[in-house]
Amino acid sequence: DVKVTQSSRYLVKRTGEKVFLECVQDMDHENMFWYRQDPGLGLRLIYFSYDVKMKEKGDIPEGYSVSREKKERFSLILESASTNQTSMYLCASSGLAGGPGVTDTQYFGPGTRLTVL
Amino acid sequence: GIQVEQSPPDLILQEGANSTLRCNFSDSVNNLQWFHQNPWGQLINLFYIPSGTKQNGRLSATTVATERYSLLYISSSQTTDSGVYFCALFSGGYNKLIFGAGTRLAVHP
Repeated sequence: DVKVTQSSRYLVKRTGEKVFLECVQDMDHENMFWYRQDPGLGLRLIYFSYDVKMKEKGDIPEGYSVSREKKERFSLILESASTNQTSMYLCASSGLAGGPGVTDTQYFGPGTRLTVL
Repeated sequence: GIQVEQSPPDLILQEGANSTLRCNFSDSVNNLQWFHQNPWGQLINLFYIPSGTKQNGRLSATTVATERYSLLYISSSQTTDSGVYFCALFSGGYNKLIFGAGTRLAVHP
């Protein structure tokens, strides 16, 4: 089974702090994604990465950066946390469709509930 | 951009009842996934279904891509089916997912 893990289930930080959210997948997937989920706004894509050291902005990248130094790990960084970044953060990974038995199904981690005070 | 609409927004069922959730989308797409988000926030894959019909136990899904809709059927519902059901469409390169707003399901004993 695909496993996507996130470093924390719950996190409380103060305004202005630098925050690191870590995501690790064990399926050698090429693609990794960071979403945030807010009531009434659904899931929105922040950043994604299609290869090591490669990244692309999603729909709401402002206030965030990412790092992918190794294929299995994708980090989301809040350079200076603000209260409007209080949210549920979800990481996902997917392979590349086309190979035998391989689809581009996205698999999600358990999520991190971040509160910025 | 692609619009994804799910209906109904909320659904309350008695245990044992059947239900159909619908996902309409505004443009042709390459692929579609259905997810269940449990009360703890975990998104669980249900189906990866570009077209046709798939079944997994009490759940089945049908996508008619030419008519731009997908249906999720839940039969003999159980309290553990409660949560939010999302459909999501693949859009553009790099497998970006566009999510619908979800259907919130509550199954009562």
